[in-house]
Amino acid sequence: EPEVTQTPSHQVTQMGQEVILRCVPISNHLYFYWYRQILGQKVEFLVSFYNNEISEKSEIFDDQFSVERPDGSNFTLKIRSTKLEDSAMYFCASGDVSNTGELFFGEGSRLTVL
Amino acid sequence: GQQVMQIPQYQHVQEGEDFTTYCNSSTTLSNIQWYKQRPGGHPVFLIQLVKSGEVKKQKRLTFQFGEAKKNSSLHITATQTTDVGTYFCAAINFGNEKLTFGTGTRLTIIP
Repeated sequence: EPEVTQTPSHQVTQMGQEVILRCVPISNHLYFYWYRQILGQKVEFLVSFYNNEISEKSEIFDDQFSVERPDGSNFTLKIRSTKLEDSAMYFCASGDVSNTGELFFGEGSRLTVL
Repeated sequence: GQQVMQIPQYQHVQEGEDFTTYCNSSTTLSNIQWYKQRPGGHPVFLIQLVKSGEVKKQKRLTFQFGEAKKNSSLHITATQTTDVGTYFCAAINFGNEKLTFGTGTRLTIIP
């Protein structure tokens, strides 16, 4: 069964460092998303991406964050200068039909900022 | 911004008992989805409800969308240990692509 894959599974970084989280969405999907979940809390929307551009972003997704689909298969989330409060599980998700279908989530990348 | 609240936050039940989680939105929704997240896992899609008053069943799970499309519920009959996890509703508003997750209900089963 096709699945969304994410790397790394766990990243530990120092505050102020740049981090890139990588995702390979399901191959025929057109809509891509990043969500994050602080330990024990709800899943929070960060950004949606369609047709090579951001279609929607939340207030969490400030100038420190960026997304890219560099080569038609990978979908990356970059955090330019990490803060302690960026520590969370970051989930990538993809869907084939916006708004009207299920999202397929990857297993997540746990980011720990020290 | 949109608020999607779920109650209860936690539920501990004896195996075999029923379980219900309720989801309430501050705004009328286009549709609503339900996801299950096992401990240490990722959200997994369960179902989507689109129509006002819609009721869908999956084996022991019954999902309902309110008439006003502002609330939803998930009911599990005769819980089993495999039902353990956090159940999230996820709401979609008209005109945007953002799936807003509810606060979740964490279900634990006492064998």
